[in-house]
Amino acid sequence: DVKVTQSSRYLVKRTGEKVFLECVQDMDHENMFWYRQDPGLGLRLIYFSYDVKMKEKGDIPEGYSVSREKKERFSLILESASTNQTSMYLCASSSSPWGGGGYTFGSGTRLTVV
Amino acid sequence: QKEVEQNSGPLSVPEGAIASLNCTYSDRGSQSFFWYRQYSGKSPELIMSIYSNGDKEDGRFTAQLNKASQYVSLLIRDSQPSDSATYLCAVNPGGQNFVFGPGTRLSVLP
Repeated sequence: DVKVTQSSRYLVKRTGEKVFLECVQDMDHENMFWYRQDPGLGLRLIYFSYDVKMKEKGDIPEGYSVSREKKERFSLILESASTNQTSMYLCASSSSPWGGGGYTFGSGTRLTVV
Repeated sequence: QKEVEQNSGPLSVPEGAIASLNCTYSDRGSQSFFWYRQYSGKSPELIMSIYSNGDKEDGRFTAQLNKASQYVSLLIRDSQPSDSATYLCAVNPGGQNFVFGPGTRLSVLP
């Protein structure tokens, strides 16, 4: 089975801190994604990457950056955490460049910014 | 803005009944369509994919696609309490990423 592992299940950070969310997949997938999920708003795409060192902005990239130095690892960085970034963050990967076969999601990181 | 719409629910059905979940999408060029199930506090898991018009069956689940009407649905036969979850519709409008609907919360009553 494809595994997508997110390093933290729950995280509490202070306003202004730099926050790193890590995601690792073990199936050699080219494509990796970061979403946030909020009640009433659904899943919103922050950034995605289709290759090492490549990144593309999603629908809500402001306040975030990403890093993909190795194929299996995709990191989401909150440059200066704010309370409106309190959310569930979901990492996903897929093998197909056009999304065929769907995503495999990690278990999620619930981030609270205080 | 590419959109995917779903009735947020909750949709309540008795155990053993058919649950019908609906989704409409705005991008006529969309090519692939997916249904995910998300239990409370868990991440979404893929349950069905469909790419061409018509029905696709997998066990108790049937996905239906009508591209002309820009409509995709999920039927769950013989609904069980364990099917109680939020069901997310996802559409690939082209490229590597998806647009997700807000989800429909399904409650199957014993």
